[in-house]
Amino acid sequence: QSALTQPASVSGSPGQSITISCTGTSSDIGGYNYVSWYQQYPGKAPKLMIYEVSDRPSGVSNRFSGSKSGNTASLTISGLQAEDEADYYCSSYTSTNTLEVFGTGTKVTVL
Amino acid sequence: QVQLQESGPGLVKPSQTLSLTCNVSGGSISRGSYYWSWIRQPAGKGLEWIGRMYSSGSTNYNPSLKSRVTISEDTSKNQFSLELSSVTAADTAVYYCAREATQWLANDYWGQGTLVTVSS
Repeated sequence: QSALTQPASVSGSPGQSITISCTGTSSDIGGYNYVSWYQQYPGKAPKLMIYEVSDRPSGVSNRFSGSKSGNTASLTISGLQAEDEADYYCSSYTSTNTLEVFGTGTKVTVL
Repeated sequence: QVQLQESGPGLVKPSQTLSLTCNVSGGSISRGSYYWSWIRQPAGKGLEWIGRMYSSGSTNYNPSLKSRVTISEDTSKNQFSLELSSVTAADTAVYYCAREATQWLANDYWGQGTLVTVSS
């Protein structure tokens, strides 16, 4: 099972919106709505930002939103802020023996 | 508030067995509705799912590591553990334990992570 494909980096200016893509296959993203997104600061543990494609855990800003189309999931950060500068990883359930697969990770830079 | 904390040796020799424990507070690992997982991250790289266990004791492992991995529980201490045998330098990574909700299949609580280096 290969990792899900994400762009290595995405950047934007404060206040702008950015979107991070996460591409998989019909065995993972395309076949199930178990897509999650995690935010990770350097040296820190990942934090769950989105689950089940588009749901936000309590306490996560509504500036973060998720969606899915076919085999590609997306995370959109609106009203970009300096504190959003971090690495972001997608994850999906997969029907292969691996069961859970992560994305390659995207570094978000706030210009 | 659920909290997870990894513990174990930070240095393991090649060919030996890596052993880590995750102490869980604020919730029982015996309660259903959650998987208890191990995930690792080599320096500067992405996350890799290692495996998970359920309250029933059942386990699932990443096929790429399955022959070397064992995840077990100690319900009396509310802990679960990871053993990875025959380690090499490629197993050097930060190891995280995490709770995964079975309803959402998302890891909602994570430990802070512990760095394990494989070196002689």
